[in-house]
Amino acid sequence: AQKVTQAQTEISVVEKEDVTLDCVYETRDTTYYLFWYKQPPSGELVFLIRRNSFDEQNEISGRYSWNFQKSTSSFNFTITASQVVDSAVYFCALSEVWTTGNQFYFGTGTSLTVIP
Amino acid sequence: DVKVTQSSRYLVKRTGEKVFLECVQDMDHENMFWYRQDPGLGLRLIYFSYDVKMKEKGDIPEGYSVSREKKERFSLILESASTNQTSMYLCASSSQGQGNYEQYFGPGTRLTVT
Repeated sequence: AQKVTQAQTEISVVEKEDVTLDCVYETRDTTYYLFWYKQPPSGELVFLIRRNSFDEQNEISGRYSWNFQKSTSSFNFTITASQVVDSAVYFCALSEVWTTGNQFYFGTGTSLTVIP
Repeated sequence: DVKVTQSSRYLVKRTGEKVFLECVQDMDHENMFWYRQDPGLGLRLIYFSYDVKMKEKGDIPEGYSVSREKKERFSLILESASTNQTSMYLCASSSQGQGNYEQYFGPGTRLTVT
């Protein structure tokens, strides 16, 4: 079974629109970590955020915000006033504490296209 | 800044060739990882290492092996390349310690096996 599900395969928005990327995860652990990465067309994955399971506060960083809800096992990512430079594939990932070497489970990614 | 480098951005090999993909990180990270990325499948873990000379199989180790002789270097080996190993290969590293730290990725190697 998929531990991380990103149901949205592709999303297109017009520049300046807000967009939310969904991430649903599955774990039996009480302590775990969640991550978001951005993969622009150049190919290199860029780390965006890390959250632990005990910190449910929403986080905002400029135009980016993250909504973590343990009750629904979701860690959604919102881009406000999208820009063309936001066009990329975005990956959500889960890491469980018990795993050797801190393995990650990645979702299949959401490809975001921002149309000028 | 963390730097993870991979030996080649693009590589073309023939079926049956032995292929070496090299990865070097400069942040003294204990953990290193090899993934392959295919459209619609996301990132799949091939092998990882949490210490020198230590290795663990990931989800799809068949057809691959790895070597970690030095802390900063992690090599992925395709003993006899096949066309179904045509893919993007990504190396990553992370720190150990309290909490599961973010992985830092290299630029990737796009391997084509003909």
